[in-house]
Amino acid sequence: GAGVSQSPSNKVTEKGKDVELRCDPISGHTALYWYRQSLGQGLEFLIYFQGNSAPDKSGLPSDRFSAERTGGSVSTLTIQRTQQEDSAVYLCASSPEYGRTNGYTFGSGTRLTVV
Amino acid sequence: AQTVTQSQPEMSVQEAETVTLSCTYDTSESDYYLFWYKQPPSRQMILVIRQEAYKQQNATENRFSVNFQKAAKSFSLKISDSQLGDAAMYFCAYRSARTGNQFYFGTGTSLTVIP
Repeated sequence: GAGVSQSPSNKVTEKGKDVELRCDPISGHTALYWYRQSLGQGLEFLIYFQGNSAPDKSGLPSDRFSAERTGGSVSTLTIQRTQQEDSAVYLCASSPEYGRTNGYTFGSGTRLTVV
Repeated sequence: AQTVTQSQPEMSVQEAETVTLSCTYDTSESDYYLFWYKQPPSRQMILVIRQEAYKQQNATENRFSVNFQKAAKSFSLKISDSQLGDAAMYFCAYRSARTGNQFYFGTGTSLTVIP
């Protein structure tokens, strides 16, 4: 697509429920990144993919968080047993290849609210 | 880990005037990239300007310029002839040239432009 697309735009869920956030990167971009932006904070790195593999999962805050990418395209970030502290904006970005700074493009994020 | 500090949570500027946003960072690396991103209410992170650490010349993009002081680890953004559309959150970010798998962001500066 023309840009990085994320869905849903907003999600309200009850504490304890599982949620899935979707990221559709720019066509042809092999690298994909997830960030979390909590209220009043900068962006916190969660995970990145090169193709379908995730060499660096160091930013995932707990084992309730997982992510996958299939077909070198769409990625899903799953949060199990959501907690109120998971409330944040989850931003996805893609780039033509790992390490490239040109063409690094962010989506508009998913605002997750856990009530 | 690298850290990025923005010490001005909020700034304001009169339309057509000039404003400078501050950023400092901490790293032991010699080769890296620095960025300023703008985040309007749409939440999408928009690249404003980029600086390669090996370049001594300060980057400029139209009304936006930076003052890069490598020894002091300082990277400020100057916005000249401020416009109403410049109002947004501004984030300073660091990216390693060696690992390059993630950005490190500051906590942001909220810029208000007064008509």
